[in-house]
Amino acid sequence: QKEVEQDPGPLSVPEGAIVSLNCTYSNSAFQYFMWYRQYSRKGPELLMYTYSSGNKEDGRFTAQVDKSSKYISLFIRDSQPSDSATYLCAMSSLHNDMRFGAGTRLTVKP
Amino acid sequence: DTEVTQTPKHLVMGMTNKKSLKCEQHMGHRAMYWYKQKAKKPPELMFVYSYEKLSINESVPSRFSPECPNSSLLNLHLHALQPEDSALYLCASSRDGSEQFFGPGTRLTVL
Repeated sequence: QKEVEQDPGPLSVPEGAIVSLNCTYSNSAFQYFMWYRQYSRKGPELLMYTYSSGNKEDGRFTAQVDKSSKYISLFIRDSQPSDSATYLCAMSSLHNDMRFGAGTRLTVKP
Repeated sequence: DTEVTQTPKHLVMGMTNKKSLKCEQHMGHRAMYWYKQKAKKPPELMFVYSYEKLSINESVPSRFSPECPNSSLLNLHLHALQPEDSALYLCASSRDGSEQFFGPGTRLTVL
């Protein structure tokens, strides 16, 4: 079993749709939870960072963490073609050992 | 300034060459990282430096040699690489081991 599971997609949605991306994990030592967006041939860009269960909102993005279920989500409201990218969940313990999910390739069609 | 810079952007090297990748951050972060990313795969952790000391080496072959000259700089020295080492090499930094900020990467091709 992988430490972090993420459906690689691909996921295709029409412009304006709500996008839901999810990851599950098995290591209960993970304390920090992140979502990154990566465009082709670029470095990952940090979108959201949380360290506790609950919701965190930033503009069109909402991150959810449920530590009891070992499940994290990212919601994108009013999706735009510019949101087309690969979205990576990532998490780490207190020991700096960050692990990524496989990444979900998202396409938002005009 | 939330920028991590990496040089060079692209590197082509033969299997007998010696080259170095460089990474720099001026955010006062005390943890710095090297990752390797193959096409359509997530980044894989290679090395972690914390307070300029190597704290994690994920069983990386010795042909990759990291160096942290000071708190702002991180190098990755390359020697006798194999074609399968061709990948995007990413540097990241973190204030305290939590959220990490990535550079744009160096795209390495080994011939």
